Amino acid sequence: AQRVTQPEKLLSVFKGAPVELKCNYSYSGSPELFWYVQYSRQRLQLLLRHISRESIKGFTADLNKGETSFHLKKPFAQEEDSAMYYCALTTGANNLFFGTGTRLTVIP
Amino acid sequence: NAGVTQTPKFQVLKTGQSMTLQCAQDMNHEYMSWYRQDPGMGLRLIHYSVGAGITDQGEVPNGYNVSRSTTEDFPLRLLSAAPSQTSVYFCASSYGRVASNTEAFFGQGTRLTVV
Repeated sequence: AQRVTQPEKLLSVFKGAPVELKCNYSYSGSPELFWYVQYSRQRLQLLLRHISRESIKGFTADLNKGETSFHLKKPFAQEEDSAMYYCALTTGANNLFFGTGTRLTVIP
Repeated sequence: NAGVTQTPKFQVLKTGQSMTLQCAQDMNHEYMSWYRQDPGMGLRLIHYSVGAGITDQGEVPNGYNVSRSTTEDFPLRLLSAAPSQTSVYFCASSYGRVASNTEAFFGQGTRLTVV
């Protein structure tokens, strides 16, 4: 069965410090992975997807199949990065399997 | 362009009551889904639709019905509300099936409390 694990419910970092939000998954096939973000009083929205290997708002995430991880990283955190972050996996059957989320707080 | 619109934003129901959560999208998306989010858990798929007239069950479908008579609308019906259905409900739509090149767009959520 598919499973997405985000081990940290809460994460606080100082502005300018590096940030890493952890995501591990279990799936026997080839996963397609995403990071979704929910800013305060806004709706859930896509941040980035592993297939595009892009950097969005300074965030990157690399799929590590050996470690079954898809950690989200940013070298210098900004206050506007404070939000709830969800890692999600799809098997292609129109279902997104979400982790429980990590609330990131960037301290000024 | 409103995107995905859910109504109501908040609702309190008594056990046994029925109600319909509304979801509408104006992006001409074929795929629409309903998720629920419980405290300490990720979003879980309730039902989804791949086009008008076509629906299927997700991970947690019991106690809910859906129909898709138009491309724009995908209502979620609670047949007989139970306290276990207290949750935040999210509707989502996408142009195609959720895949690496397809983004899911979410509504703002409906917070439902069943007492």
